Formats: sequence, C-alpha cells, structure tokens
Amino acid sequence: NAGVTQTPKFRVLKTGQSMTLLCAQDMNHEYMYWYRQDPGMGLRLIHYSVGEGTTAKGEVPDGYNVSRLKKQNFLLGLESAAPSQTSVYFCASSRPGTGATEAFFGQGTRLTVV
Amino acid sequence: AQKVTQAQTEISVVEKEDVTLDCVYETRDTTYYLFWYKQPPSGELVFLIRRNSFDEQNEISGRYSWNFQKSTSSFNFTITASQVVDSAVYFCALVHGSGNTGKLIFGQGTTLQVKP
Repeated sequence: NAGVTQTPKFRVLKTGQSMTLLCAQDMNHEYMYWYRQDPGMGLRLIHYSVGEGTTAKGEVPDGYNVSRLKKQNFLLGLESAAPSQTSVYFCASSRPGTGATEAFFGQGTRLTVV
Repeated sequence: AQKVTQAQTEISVVEKEDVTLDCVYETRDTTYYLFWYKQPPSGELVFLIRRNSFDEQNEISGRYSWNFQKSTSSFNFTITASQVVDSAVYFCALVHGSGNTGKLIFGQGTTLQVKP
C-alpha cells in the first residue's frame, strides 16, 4: 500500500543550487499535483498535471519546473534555489470522476535553502 | 475569486470538550466541492470528508460531524468529546467548477491542541 511516495524526505540546499523532487504514485491516477506548505498560508498549488506528458501552472509556479514523462511519476525541479523556496513540499494524486475526488498526499519533503 | 478562510489559527481545549472548526468559502461557481483534511504531527495529510454543493445534508462519522450551510457559505467541522489524538492541523479546502481538475484551494489551517 505505497500510495504516493516522495523522494527525498529532507534536503538542505545552498542558494543557487538545483535539485529535483520525485513523486511516484501506484494508484494509476491521471491527475498529479505539487503543493507547498508555508506557515499561516495553508497549501498552495505550484504545478499540476492532468495526464502523462501534460503540465500546467498553479498559483505559485515561479522558480519551479515540472515534468510528467510517465503516468506514475511527477518531478518538481528547482533550477536555482532561493531562500524563499524554503518550505514543505507535498505531492498529491487523484483520479477523474464525478466531480472532484479525494486527493492522496505523499508524506512531504522538507526543503531548507540557506 | 475562489477563497477559503479559516479564521481560527489555533484552538486549545481540554480532553472531552466539544470543539468546532470554522470554514468559510467563496466561489462564483454553482458546482463545487468542499473537503476537510487532517495533518497530524507526523506531517501527512489525511482525507476526512468531501461534500458537493448540491448536497447540504449534514454528516456524522463517529465523533466527527460537519455542518454545510450554503446560505452562509460555511462548512464547519465539529469534534465531539475531543481526544488527545485529535491534536493536529485541520485544513478546509475547495475545488470549484464542474469541469475541474481536482485542484484544491486550501484555507490557512487551524491548529487544534487537545490537552489531557
């Protein structure tokens, strides 16, 4: 029962470094999302994908890129990390259905940019 | 604009007290979906409930109950006889539109502390 798995769980980056966060889901979900969680702001959508090979911007996309080359994987990239990107990142997936269906979340990645 | 407001930042109660977490939403769509998620100290998000805009029936699940009122654009969550294990951050969220892609709009979250 893996569900949604994020790699890594923790990371410290120096300003200007790059990294990729990996999200993998084993539920055959069409939709996948990346959110960031900051104190007092809830979760905000960075990018999302409605299917393999497609991606779209969310509410706070600047400084991030994504790719969905395989249905089960959704990658979030930071090309040049900034301290403002210190946050907890959550990946989620859901399936299309009648209306909006429950989203399943990964365990989160805590990223610190120094 | 679509928005979710959870005005209560933190709530502290003593075990066995009842507590209500408020959620107010804004949307111009007639079709929308409301959710509650729980984030325990371990950090993951746990789905609690989904409600669509055409179903105003209140729901009860054990000690949990939800009151959906379209007239006041509210979807409040009540925990009866709270327990220490209920301590968590609770998020209310909205998905709007009939052709939506499941994108959640979250409130700021309410941190609930239940003391023994």
